[in-house]
Amino acid sequence: QVTLRESGPALVKPTQTLTLTCTFSGFSLSTSGMCVSWIRQPPGKALEWLALIDWDDDKYYSTSLKTRLTISKDTSKNQVVLTMTNMDPVDTATYYCARIVGGGWTIDYWGQGTLVTVSS
Amino acid sequence: QSALTQPASVSGSPGQSITISCTGTSSDVGSYNLVSWYQQHPGKAPKLMIYEVSKRPSGVSNRFSGSKSGNTASLTISGLQAEDEADYYCCSYAGSSTFVFGTGTKVTVL
Repeated sequence: QVTLRESGPALVKPTQTLTLTCTFSGFSLSTSGMCVSWIRQPPGKALEWLALIDWDDDKYYSTSLKTRLTISKDTSKNQVVLTMTNMDPVDTATYYCARIVGGGWTIDYWGQGTLVTVSS
Repeated sequence: QSALTQPASVSGSPGQSITISCTGTSSDVGSYNLVSWYQQHPGKAPKLMIYEVSKRPSGVSNRFSGSKSGNTASLTISGLQAEDEADYYCCSYAGSSTFVFGTGTKVTVL
């Protein structure tokens, strides 16, 4: 059974750095083809793909946010971490982590999401 | 990586069929048969309804079907039911391990 769960602060101040952790089970990021992505959704708005890390530790980012994002993994802990620098109120959103199996390139399992509010 | 274009809203009566379009470019939808569709109820995580343009995951009703022509993908819901009222998002693989989502469509069951 594949599960993912996001954790991190609910509130951050403008200009701070956000660090989110995705803890997953039911698959291993050391298995060829496995990937984990981060996706966000501002309140009342559409989903936005942010970043992906694969089994081979290759990392890919949204073009528009590339300079602010860093994705990393700890395979032994079954965790993926996303950091986003210089947070702004427009970054207020629910942040999801999700699994992708390379080749089929389908986001098949999602976490429940964590709401991050950026406010002073 | 511009968002795929979807109609903001689509509505239908119970039992009717509706179709949601998802228009991209030759760099995403048009290049790959890797379009998926997600259903999202308020306050919930998205749920995979269609993958690889027209395939249904186990457990998803066969009232949901997908297709693609050129740069536009479509999701059809037949026999519309009250429980189908939700937001729907398309998503396309865009090459180099990147993805792009649609603008989202609110489906209302009249």
